[in-house]
Amino acid sequence: DAKTTQPNSMESNEEEPVHLPCNHSTISGTDYIHWYRQLPSQGPEYVIHGLTSNVNNRMASLAIAEDRKSSTLILHRATLRDAAVYYCILRAGANNLFFGTGTRLTVIP
Amino acid sequence: DTGVSQDPRHKITKRGQNVTFRCDPISEHNRLYWYRQTLGQGPEFLTYFQNEAQLEKSRLLSNRFSAERPKGSFSTLEIQRTEQGDSAMYLCASSQPSSGGAGTQYFGPGTRLTVL
Repeated sequence: DAKTTQPNSMESNEEEPVHLPCNHSTISGTDYIHWYRQLPSQGPEYVIHGLTSNVNNRMASLAIAEDRKSSTLILHRATLRDAAVYYCILRAGANNLFFGTGTRLTVIP
Repeated sequence: DTGVSQDPRHKITKRGQNVTFRCDPISEHNRLYWYRQTLGQGPEFLTYFQNEAQLEKSRLLSNRFSAERPKGSFSTLEIQRTEQGDSAMYLCASSQPSSGGAGTQYFGPGTRLTVL
């Protein structure tokens, strides 16, 4: 699987938008971009995924660069419950996920 | 609750003992995955089943580790002769068949193993 690069940590104030970046310069044409998050003491949780177009769901939005070499996960209004480690993952096949170390998001009340 | 369940949630054992963990996937999911997560790291893939067939094993899965999914439903992960380096969170995930890389995996809460 192609690798991704994310900042180790980010901070956000509560109720403000958060933009979590991910670089994936070696992405291939068949790679989907997935985001998972892991809250403290829990298993990872699916957030969103996309291929080429921007995507929205009830949890977040995913903005994908036109060249697909980077993407941004957008939380529109951060809450304390959004404090977690966020993983950006590229996936071509249907098998395992390669997680990396992710971005630890701290939400400041 | 129809999510992925794992049992036990916590296990403390002495070095050299055998341990077995169980995972019950979401009922209609035919794919089941095991991952291991150590402190400060992301989950690392161990093995993967499609129905009862074990299709892929990571190099992390030493010969002390064995996983089964006998009837294509629940799965067990056994670690024989545990070592302190086996201390980790063991995560199970399941998914439906999907095309390409679009599939979503649903994770259980994990089993935290501590080897003394």
